[in-house]
This record gives sequence, C-alpha cells and structure tokens, in this order.
Amino acid sequence: KAGVTQTPRYLIKTRGQQVTLSCSPISGHRSVSWYQQTPGQGLQFLFEYFSETQRNKGNFPGRFSGRQFSNSRSEMNVSTLELGDSALYLCASSRGQALGNEQFFGPGTRLTVL
Amino acid sequence: QKEVEQNSGPLSVPEGAIASLNCTYSDRGSQSFFWYRQYSGKSPELIMSIYSNGDKEDGRFTAQLNKASQYVSLLIRDSQPSDSATYLCAGGGNTGNQFYFGTGTSLTVIP
Repeated sequence: KAGVTQTPRYLIKTRGQQVTLSCSPISGHRSVSWYQQTPGQGLQFLFEYFSETQRNKGNFPGRFSGRQFSNSRSEMNVSTLELGDSALYLCASSRGQALGNEQFFGPGTRLTVL
Repeated sequence: QKEVEQNSGPLSVPEGAIASLNCTYSDRGSQSFFWYRQYSGKSPELIMSIYSNGDKEDGRFTAQLNKASQYVSLLIRDSQPSDSATYLCAGGGNTGNQFYFGTGTSLTVIP
C-alpha cells in the first residue's frame, strides 16, 4: 500500500507571497492532519480534516487554512508569508472514523521564506 | 495549555543496552499515545501506539502507560546503532486526531 505523499517537497518563497501545499493520504484513510515542525517549537498541530470537514484546529493565525476534497486529498494554504513560516510542513493520514487513530506521516514539504 | 514533555536528553547508551525514554502529559482527557522515531532530515515514523494502562510490547520495543501518573515511557532493548534518532512522544485523540508532541529525545547508541 502506498504511503502518504506530499507535494512539492521543497519550496522557496518571499515574504508576502502565498503558498499551497498538497497531501494525498494512504488509500482508505479519511483523516488528514497538518503539522508544522520547527527546531524551536517542535511539532505543532495546525488542523485536521475528516470527510471534507475541519474537525480540529490548532492555535495558528487565520493566514493558515486548509481544505479536504471528496477523495480525501488535502491542501493547506498559507497567505501573506512571514519569515517565521519557514518550517517543515507535515501531513499525517489516519483512518479517522474513531478518535485517536494512529497517524502516519508523509515526507513533508520544506518551506523557506526569504 | 495541553502539553507533552519529554526528557530532552541527549541520551547515549552502548550497543546492546536498554534505552529508556520518558514522557509526561498534562491533559487527563488524552486517550491515545504514540512514540515516533525521526531520523535527521526525515519525517516521523510511528513505532508504537498505546491506549490502555500497562505495557505493550512489539519486538525490542515496550511502551508503558500510566494514566493515573500521566506518564508514558518507551524501552528499547538490545539497542542498535540504527536506533540512533530523535524519539517523539505524542498524546491526545480525545476530540479527533489532534495530538500534542513533545520536543523529542535524541538517542545515540554507541557501537
């Protein structure tokens, strides 16, 4: 079974731009969660989507948004990029029906904001 | 503030020894706990999940959960150099798949 895929793997943007990241979960998985990983803050939860609905949201500003499509693929968008948004963005896939399912991470998208 | 805290290390053990990694959590409502291994430059890889009090063993790995003490641990027996990585503890799952991660413990297994 194929794992979680994320595109693109690397991105370089400048301040003020916006960016869209994509995640395809494991086949059959309906929950997609997004995390930001930085050396200083570690892994921080952004949001979770299940059956096209946002089920949970972390403490990030409204510049961070996401959505999920009917095929469970998910995108996250960051608008008006800031230098501090430079991070590894990880998508995690889980079956999702029950609470607290095991999550499997994709390879991540490394975003650099200049 | 829901938090998961880990002993930050770094932790060094000789090859063949037992490595012990510890984690505490603040949210008593947390239902699910996971240990991930992350090699440098890679994404986290799930190695253990635990949901009930007690021990859960999988090969050389044993996870322990004590909900009364809000404590989770991971034991790695017969440590190998390939176990050298950062280990992340995660807890949560009471409202879906929102999990809180510790900052990780760096483990080095010395040949």
